[in-house]
Amino acid sequence: EAQVTQNPRYLITVTGKKLTVTCSQNMNHEYMSWYRQDPGLGLRQIYYSMNVEVTDKGDVPEGYKVSRKEKRNFPLILESPSPNQTSLYFCASSPGSSGANVLTFGAGSRLTVL
Amino acid sequence: GQSLEQPSEVTAVEGAIVQINCTYQTSGFYGLSWYQQHDGGAPTFLSYNGLDGLEETGRFSSFLSRSDSYGYLLLQELQMKDSASYFCAVRHTGGFKTIFGAGTRLFVKA
Repeated sequence: EAQVTQNPRYLITVTGKKLTVTCSQNMNHEYMSWYRQDPGLGLRQIYYSMNVEVTDKGDVPEGYKVSRKEKRNFPLILESPSPNQTSLYFCASSPGSSGANVLTFGAGSRLTVL
Repeated sequence: GQSLEQPSEVTAVEGAIVQINCTYQTSGFYGLSWYQQHDGGAPTFLSYNGLDGLEETGRFSSFLSRSDSYGYLLLQELQMKDSASYFCAVRHTGGFKTIFGAGTRLFVKA
């Protein structure tokens, strides 16, 4: 089944404790991206990647890091989480780095930072 | 700035037709996409307009007018299961950043 898989789905952590949210897709998609969703603000892009070793900032990259060492994986790293990073996170992928914006989303990861 | 604006809420009755508008203040994008998100779920792709005009997919249609900086999603023969949030989105040509509108919450009443 074609899908985007994120882990963990739920996480409660404390301020400053590094964490990684994994994202993997099995569709051989070039474009992968991370979003955070907060009430009333829609989906805001954190980082995106157009292919292996090619990443760039979205609208809200502060406090996050990403890497794209393999085409299928695009982990989101919070080096020192803070309470304002409490949010619902989505990973998504699409076939091409340009053209149609047709994203397939993962199920989401709900993160709480205390 | 670069932004997409949508109404926050729309209410309609079962069987009716509803239009969700998306106006944008941005340039240099590939096209306008629409996504549906049910409570507790992930967004799912509905429709994409790469060119001006109307795209139809079953009960859903989407329209884009670049000259008017405007697009809409049209839902026909509304069903209770259409109650969800709907987001418009664009991907910029200069860098491929993706921007979403804040979303429109659709309530379908019996």
